[in-house]
Amino acid sequence: GDSVTQMEGPVTLSEEAFLTINCTYTATGYPSLFWYVQYPGEGLQLLLKATKADDKGSNKGFEATYRKETTSFHLEKGSVQVSDSAVYFCALSGIDNFNKFYFGSGTKLNVKP
Amino acid sequence: GAVVSQHPSRVICKSGTSVKIECRSLDFQATTMFWYRQFPKQSLMLMATSNEGSKATYEQGVEKDKFLINHASLTLSTLTVTSAHPEDSSFYICSARQGNLANQPQHFGDGTRLSIL
Repeated sequence: GDSVTQMEGPVTLSEEAFLTINCTYTATGYPSLFWYVQYPGEGLQLLLKATKADDKGSNKGFEATYRKETTSFHLEKGSVQVSDSAVYFCALSGIDNFNKFYFGSGTKLNVKP
Repeated sequence: GAVVSQHPSRVICKSGTSVKIECRSLDFQATTMFWYRQFPKQSLMLMATSNEGSKATYEQGVEKDKFLINHASLTLSTLTVTSAHPEDSSFYICSARQGNLANQPQHFGDGTRLSIL
């Protein structure tokens, strides 16, 4: 079945460091891929998405490219800030009856000043 | 745009109480709404999918009679935890989607922290 695998955290970086959070997926067909961010005590916010191979989603300095050949959707940011500290979830939208989402386990990012 | 409001944000109540959580899409019509449960430091566990005007589809292992879901309109879904017990304490999150296409994102509420004493 469909699934998403994310790198385990926590990831601890200094401010202005480069960020990569790995995400790979298993799916039938051509799913859509998403990154969500969750701040403490809150729900999830959509960060970016890509709906077909080679698409690049971007938002707030974050980027991720839909790589069909490696079934990956890694999240990157060139220079992280303390305010980026949160939990990041990779998700795919399946092609079943309700297009359910399959979430990765989440990666906690800690950015130190 | 695409704002989802979830209420209440926190509930503390005695064992045996039934608790209702509301999920509203404020600026769009939600064909489909989802209810998740999240344990500390873990990912989201899908509990059920609800479509307006029809019965919810529950995931395996989720008790239908325990977690009652009603999706009476295109902007409102409710989750009622019946006769709640301490093991039901958790963070419950709803999401809503405007259509059923795979490329449409889910928009999440801010969650409800349920604590059963």
